[in-house]
Amino acid sequence: GQQVMQIPQYQHVQEGEDFTTYCNSSTTLSNIQWYKQRPGGHPVFLIQLVKSGEVKKQKRLTFQFGEAKKNSSLHITATQTTDVGTYFCAGPGQAGTALIFGKGTTLSVSS
Amino acid sequence: DAGVIQSPRHEVTEMGQEVTLRCKPISGHNSLFWYRQTMMRGLELLIYFNNNVPIDDSGMPEDRFSAKMPNASFSTLKIQPSEPRDSAVYFCASSPRTTRNEQFFGPGTRLTVL
Repeated sequence: GQQVMQIPQYQHVQEGEDFTTYCNSSTTLSNIQWYKQRPGGHPVFLIQLVKSGEVKKQKRLTFQFGEAKKNSSLHITATQTTDVGTYFCAGPGQAGTALIFGKGTTLSVSS
Repeated sequence: DAGVIQSPRHEVTEMGQEVTLRCKPISGHNSLFWYRQTMMRGLELLIYFNNNVPIDDSGMPEDRFSAKMPNASFSTLKIQPSEPRDSAVYFCASSPRTTRNEQFFGPGTRLTVL
């Protein structure tokens, strides 16, 4: 079945270092979404990418959608302790509006 | 505006008991989703509704799980009988009447089955 894979599963960085998480789908996606879940919290929508090769920025976060619309990445520049959490990518399933979530990348940051 | 509301926030029960989780989606949203999150399996979609109609329940683990959405402002997820392996955080999410499919998650219910 359709799968969305994320790597790495865990990443620890020193504050100020950069961080990147990668997302790969087994099928072409019409769009890809990114969510962040703080420890003990719930997933919160960050952004959606729709176009092939699209790049969007939110302050220190840069999101990219691959040319083939099967992969995506999230890059954080100069991480801060507030960036701690699990980052999920998600793509629409073949059944319609349901999203298929990757297993997430958990980021920890030490100061 | 209030976000997605879930109750209870925490539930501790004994194996074999019936558990009912409740969700109130954001007003005006036409899609509602139930997820289960565990360390081992991550975030799993259990079932989702569109305009109160169940569309895909292929993620429901077994017949012990059932979900209803009697109206646009309320949904329940019931486990009967509960088992220790059902222990997880259960999230409800809703999505607006758009094609963006952005989902808004509730705070979750942390279920512990002893």
